Amino acid sequence: GQNIDQPTEMTATEGAIVQINCTYQTSGFNGLFWYQQHAGEAPTFLSYNVLDGLEEKGRFSSFLSRSKGYSYLLLKELQMKDSASYLCAVLDSNYQLIWGAGTKLIIKP
Amino acid sequence: DADVTQTPRNRITKTGKRIMLECSQTKGHDRMYWYRQDPGLGLQLIYYSFDVKDINKGEISDGYSVSRQAQAKFSLSLESAIPNQTALYFCATSDLGQYEQYFGPGTRLTVT
Repeated sequence: GQNIDQPTEMTATEGAIVQINCTYQTSGFNGLFWYQQHAGEAPTFLSYNVLDGLEEKGRFSSFLSRSKGYSYLLLKELQMKDSASYLCAVLDSNYQLIWGAGTKLIIKP
Repeated sequence: DADVTQTPRNRITKTGKRIMLECSQTKGHDRMYWYRQDPGLGLQLIYYSFDVKDINKGEISDGYSVSRQAQAKFSLSLESAIPNQTALYFCATSDLGQYEQYFGPGTRLTVT
């Protein structure tokens, strides 16, 4: 079967750094996405990794290791507006997105 | 104006009623998707369409049907709504050869 695992919830402090992990077991791999979703709103695209390594985009970075079936999203200089759920999704061999349940990130002052 | 719109945004209906959720997009994308989202679960794909004549079932299509009336419009129907179809429903689009999906604002459906 296909499986994507993320922690259900994480808490961090404003101004700090947090790393949200995602492990996956899917039928094939054609890339991994991270989306941000504020409560009651639509998911919005953050990053896409298809090759191993770190992709940096401002305060957010995403890392991929295909051999380990592992990715993480790194958020630096946390702001209160970063309180949201972060969804990991893998593009499988049929080019369908398989979604994790999401990690709810709570930022405290 | 939003690129992907959904109507209605909220709907309460009774068990056994037929209901249609509509999605329109101005992005010019060929591919459109319907998902449902339940608390604590990931997005689950209901149906997807790669063009007007190509409609495919997703992982949870039972109890749902779709219609792709035009490139820009993709509707989801619940023929006979049941309470466990209470969820947040999202429409999404993507461009040919690209896999990033763009989501509408969602429809919150409650079946009593």
